[in-house]
Amino acid sequence: DAGVTQSPTHLIKTRGQQVTLRCSPKSGHDTVSWYQQALGQGPQFIFQYYEEEERQRGNFPDRFSGHQFPNYSSELNVNALLLGDSALYLCASLGGTTEAFFGQGTRLTVV
Amino acid sequence: QKEVEQNSGPLSVPEGAIASLNCTYSDRVSQSFFWYRQYSGKSPELIMSIYSNGDKEDGRFTAQLNKASQYVSLLIRDSQPSDSATYLCAADSSGNTGKLIFGQGTTLQVKP
Repeated sequence: DAGVTQSPTHLIKTRGQQVTLRCSPKSGHDTVSWYQQALGQGPQFIFQYYEEEERQRGNFPDRFSGHQFPNYSSELNVNALLLGDSALYLCASLGGTTEAFFGQGTRLTVV
Repeated sequence: QKEVEQNSGPLSVPEGAIASLNCTYSDRVSQSFFWYRQYSGKSPELIMSIYSNGDKEDGRFTAQLNKASQYVSLLIRDSQPSDSATYLCAADSSGNTGKLIFGQGTTLQVKP
């Protein structure tokens, strides 16, 4: 049974560029949440997708957008990258309970 | 007051001792709480969830919830060097829909 998988694992982008991160949830899970974790901090909630709709959103600007596909996989898009967007981006999947299971993360570096 | 607060540490304990990790929360979160372990450079791994007042045990781990004091703790018995990691306390912030609010984490060092 595959766990939560994210791609890519590492990424380097230039300020102003756009990036797309991908996530496949655990088998049987239908909800995907995205988090941003800066160095030395706890993860911060970006948004959550359920039934292909954004169900909840954290305090992040509109530059952060997402999508969920019919197979429950999800994408996180960030436009007009800033240096401050450098972080570990985590995808978590949920399946009918409140227990969230994280993927290995994508380390984004903006230069 | 932050919604979920933890002392960043580091907390240092000798091998074989009990490590006690603490977390306080505000009224703005709901009543579901989670402990995650995060090794350096890795993603968080769920250790325990707790929803009711009292203790919940799983192997060497015990989670404790005290709603009156708005306090959640994690005890690790017989601490091992492999337990050295950052421990994140999280609360569900919106009626159990899985939107988690995290503390900043406590770094635990278990010394041989």
